[in-house]
Amino acid sequence: GENVEQHPSTLSVQEGDSAVIKCTYSDSASNYFPWYKQELGKGPQLIIDIRSNVGEKKDQRIAVTLNKTAKHFSLHITETQPEDSAVYFCAASMRAGGTSYGKLTFGQGTILTVHP
Amino acid sequence: DGGITQSPKYLFRKEGQNVTLSCEQNLNHDAMYWYRQDPGQGLRLIYYSQIVNDFQKGDIAEGYSVSREKKESFPLTVTSAQKNPTAFYLCASSPDRGRITEAFFGQGTRLTVV
Repeated sequence: GENVEQHPSTLSVQEGDSAVIKCTYSDSASNYFPWYKQELGKGPQLIIDIRSNVGEKKDQRIAVTLNKTAKHFSLHITETQPEDSAVYFCAASMRAGGTSYGKLTFGQGTILTVHP
Repeated sequence: DGGITQSPKYLFRKEGQNVTLSCEQNLNHDAMYWYRQDPGQGLRLIYYSQIVNDFQKGDIAEGYSVSREKKESFPLTVTSAQKNPTAFYLCASSPDRGRITEAFFGQGTRLTVV
């Protein structure tokens, strides 16, 4: 099955700096890569996603890059703000054989702390 | 407002007891999922369902059971066979069986065995 590794497990930055979180996946058939942000005591919320036919996607201060050959993808947050502090999860998904279901496999999570 | 509602937010269970976690969605989504979250381990899939009256085991289904009698409801029962049930449980749904799309999560239920 799919295995997703996420690094680093914790990341501390100063407000205004950039933050980068990296993930690798094992199954070359995976074709959908979302990133979720989870605040304390809440469920994860999607912040950006990318599909395998695209190499990069941006949304204001957030960007995701995908390298299919190397099987890794990264989340980039620029001009970080204290409210960016949260746990971030990457995930990979592929369509299961014979079904329409896309099974999301998550990384272990990164605790991001942005210091004012 | 549309969304996914999990209840209760906190749940305490005595050892040897079964307990059922509720998950309801009014998003008209076809697929629903249950994940378990433990510190440092990300989210692990317990069960998922694509349509009513059908569900499949995920990666850690042992000690859990589900039902999908209605499109909007996907309750999870944590049975006494689950050896380490204390965790944060998350329910999710996704809208389209035809292609892979984002999963929307509920706010979670924190289960503690006392």
